Amino acid sequence: GENVEQHPSTLSVQEGDSAVIKCTYSDSASNYFPWYKQELGKRPQLIIDIRSNVGEKKDQRIAVTLNKTAKHFSLHITETQPEDSAVYFCAASIRSSGDKLTFGTGTRLAVRP
Amino acid sequence: GAVVSQHPSRVICKSGTSVKIECRSLDFQATTMFWYRQFPKQSLMLMATSNEGSKATYEQGVEKDKFLINHASLTLSTLTVTSAHPEDSSFYICSVLGTANTEAFFGQGTRLTVV
Repeated sequence: GENVEQHPSTLSVQEGDSAVIKCTYSDSASNYFPWYKQELGKRPQLIIDIRSNVGEKKDQRIAVTLNKTAKHFSLHITETQPEDSAVYFCAASIRSSGDKLTFGTGTRLAVRP
Repeated sequence: GAVVSQHPSRVICKSGTSVKIECRSLDFQATTMFWYRQFPKQSLMLMATSNEGSKATYEQGVEKDKFLINHASLTLSTLTVTSAHPEDSSFYICSVLGTANTEAFFGQGTRLTVV
């Protein structure tokens, strides 16, 4: 089955700096890659996603890049703010096959004011 | 997007008892729902895929007789933790897929504590 690895496990940045989180996946058939933000004790919230026919996607301060050849994708947060502090999970799935999500191990992001 | 309601949000039970968790898709008919478990400071691990009108599909290592899943309607799936033990204490979250090419929607989760 799919295996998703995520790095780093913790990340501390100064407010205003950028944060980058990287994920790799194992199943070349995966074609949908969402990123979730989870605050303590709450449900995961989708912040951005990308599909395999796109190399990059941007939404304001958040961007995701995908390299299908290398089987890795990254989350980029620019101009970080304290409210960006949370745990971020990447995930991968095959949209045409049950669509179950396989999650990465998570990155705890702390933005220092 | 789809609205997913999970109940209860928190539950404390004694060892050996059973606990039922409900996951409702309030505005969307879900033929498939997913159940995840999340231990503190860890990732979401898929337990099983709940299929309306048929048996659930369990992930490797998940005991189907311990975690009973029922998906009797297009809007409701239930997870029953039978003979609960302290090691079953965890955060259980369900999710529903929206229509094709849309995101997965999560319930608010259930914090289970077995004492």
